[in-house]
Amino acid sequence: NAGVTQTPKFQVLKTGQSMTLQCAQDMNHNSMYWYRQDPGMGLRLIYYSASEGTTDKGEVPNGYNVSRLNKREFSLRLESAAPSQTSVYFCASSEGHYLKNIQYFGAGTRLSVL
Amino acid sequence: GQQLNQSPQSMFIQEGEDVSMNCTSSSIFNTWLWYKQDPGEGPVLLIALYKAGELTSNGRLTAQFGITRKDSFLNISASIPSDVGIYFCAGQLGYGGSQGNLIFGKGTKLSVKP
Repeated sequence: NAGVTQTPKFQVLKTGQSMTLQCAQDMNHNSMYWYRQDPGMGLRLIYYSASEGTTDKGEVPNGYNVSRLNKREFSLRLESAAPSQTSVYFCASSEGHYLKNIQYFGAGTRLSVL
Repeated sequence: GQQLNQSPQSMFIQEGEDVSMNCTSSSIFNTWLWYKQDPGEGPVLLIALYKAGELTSNGRLTAQFGITRKDSFLNISASIPSDVGIYFCAGQLGYGGSQGNLIFGKGTKLSVKP
């Protein structure tokens, strides 16, 4: 049971470079989420997709874009990386944003921006 | 934005001790969740609570949904070394839109007493 799969697991970027973080879930979930985790800050929501074809901003969306490619996949793009985006990024999915929102998480992508 | 106050921030445990942590908010939640995160991994769901006053157990873990719907508690009985990690509470205000998103506490870090 793969659950939520994130790639890559680790990435180092230079300031100004771009990259896309990939996320796929095999649980037939409708809703998907991107979070960032910084020391002492807990998990903060970047963007979410309540259902296929929709995306909405979360708490900290600046500097990021997302694409809900299909029901399984939800990608996060950094167009011009900044050192402030050094963080651990988690993707999560749930059956439905309009239900009890039990979210299942991937293992994370550890990103350093130099 | 909404905030959850999770305490304590960190604590040291000795094998066999009972552990308690809690989350409080000024807002009323309709769902409370407790997650555990091991180093290098994503959060894993421990317990989900849906009704005020609800008391739910998962092995040595017991969580309660506060009567006021503004707080939740997690207890771990007879702790063992593998209980170390970071525990997060998460609350859901409502269903749909931004209300359907989870709000996370900043975590309680459990470590072994030196």
